[in-house]
Amino acid sequence: DTGVSQDPRHKITKRGQNVTFRCDPISEHNRLYWYRQTLGQGPEFLTYFQNEAQLEKSRLLSDRFSAERPKGSFSTLEIQRTEQGDSAMYLCASSFPGTSGSSNPYEQYFGPGTRLTVT
Amino acid sequence: SQKIEQNSEALNIQEGKTATLTCNYTNYSPAYLQWYRQDPGRGPVFLLLIRENEKEKRKERLKVTFDTTLKQSLFHITASQPADSATYLCALDGRNTPLVFGKGTRLSVIA
Repeated sequence: DTGVSQDPRHKITKRGQNVTFRCDPISEHNRLYWYRQTLGQGPEFLTYFQNEAQLEKSRLLSDRFSAERPKGSFSTLEIQRTEQGDSAMYLCASSFPGTSGSSNPYEQYFGPGTRLTVT
Repeated sequence: SQKIEQNSEALNIQEGKTATLTCNYTNYSPAYLQWYRQDPGRGPVFLLLIRENEKEKRKERLKVTFDTTLKQSLFHITASQPADSATYLCALDGRNTPLVFGKGTRLSVIA
């Protein structure tokens, strides 16, 4: 158990509907990442936060996607007007870069993912 | 554009043998490289990290090498076991840039 939790684990929705996923990172981790993974591919970066600030978004991220981390703890990822191409596993990860004394500041701890199916 | 290639989609080996997985990259100068394991339906789990100035890293039965001239990393699992069957992902990180993952290699260790 990595300590990162995601909810829901599975979501089936109809095309055109909005969906929202939640990620709870490991409590002391100040960085939180969202990835998307399709079958046979590695995780693809979407966006990341340091505390509550969204520092980077993928150029591939459609305007229909938005993410928040209002208090620097949990995060939500919303997809508006879902399309069949949005069907994928959405992964959340957290890390704590900390100080140079950290055992591995670059390791990312992944949650179990939310599998989205758009029909 | 940046490209990461993992040598094969699938690799089958006999139990007890050494599995060797390859990660090649182009148009990239990573500060470090990471290897993750992913089981079906689960998120990736960190295994090893190697920095650009390191040639080799070991952890129990795992060994990673990093050749920045060849732009290649090799990931070895010695004395492989059926429990090592999983997808192994390599991931590159520049300096303050997000991780970029390869597609992964699905390893099957046959008893």
